[in-house]
Amino acid sequence: DTAVSQTPKYLVTQMGNDKSIKCEQNLGHDTMYWYKQDSKKFLKIMFSYNNKELIINETVPNRFSPKSPDKAHLNLHINSLELGDSAVYFCASSQEPGGLGAEAFFGQGTRLTVV
Amino acid sequence: KQEVTQIPAALSVPEGENLVLNCSFTDSAIYNLQWFRQDPGKGLTSLLLIQSSQREQTSGRLNASLDKSSGRSTLYIAASQPGDSATYLCAVPTISSNTGKLIFGQGTTLQVKP
Repeated sequence: DTAVSQTPKYLVTQMGNDKSIKCEQNLGHDTMYWYKQDSKKFLKIMFSYNNKELIINETVPNRFSPKSPDKAHLNLHINSLELGDSAVYFCASSQEPGGLGAEAFFGQGTRLTVV
Repeated sequence: KQEVTQIPAALSVPEGENLVLNCSFTDSAIYNLQWFRQDPGKGLTSLLLIQSSQREQTSGRLNASLDKSSGRSTLYIAASQPGDSATYLCAVPTISSNTGKLIFGQGTTLQVKP
């Protein structure tokens, strides 16, 4: 069974459209994340949710809105897509037992191409 | 502000060679350090997690070491194989945020030639 799964794997869309990426983890983790990997392969945190509560929002444009219906799911909705949003988006999860130090598990990524 | 650097950016070796990938971080106050592997067009696979109290961690042909005081970690790959070709990333969680947010290096792309 896949631990962290994202859908879709590939997404090609036109500028100005609104799209969503879904993420689910079956590890029972409390914390989920969205990371963005740019064209230079650099990975950077976007959002972090702990038990459905937003913990981190790293100066991401408000066109990006994460939603966590329950602690096993963290979806990413993007409004008014721009060319610069083209990247690979990774979902991740970890269990934080009262502190840091837990291993993070990543999904396979969603390659978003805005044309 | 924590910064993570990986050297070299790319490495090409013949099959069978032992090799070392380097990772350095500017803030030594870390909880752990994690090494990942990323294959082209694929997600990240966790290879090894070293807690701050550990000096090294081993998994098969992989050995990761951690020297917190000098802000360095190395990933040693023994008897490299073409299947080891991938990008290797190291990452550390930031203590200040208390959430496990990972700061990544830019990776070392390894090519092992048959």
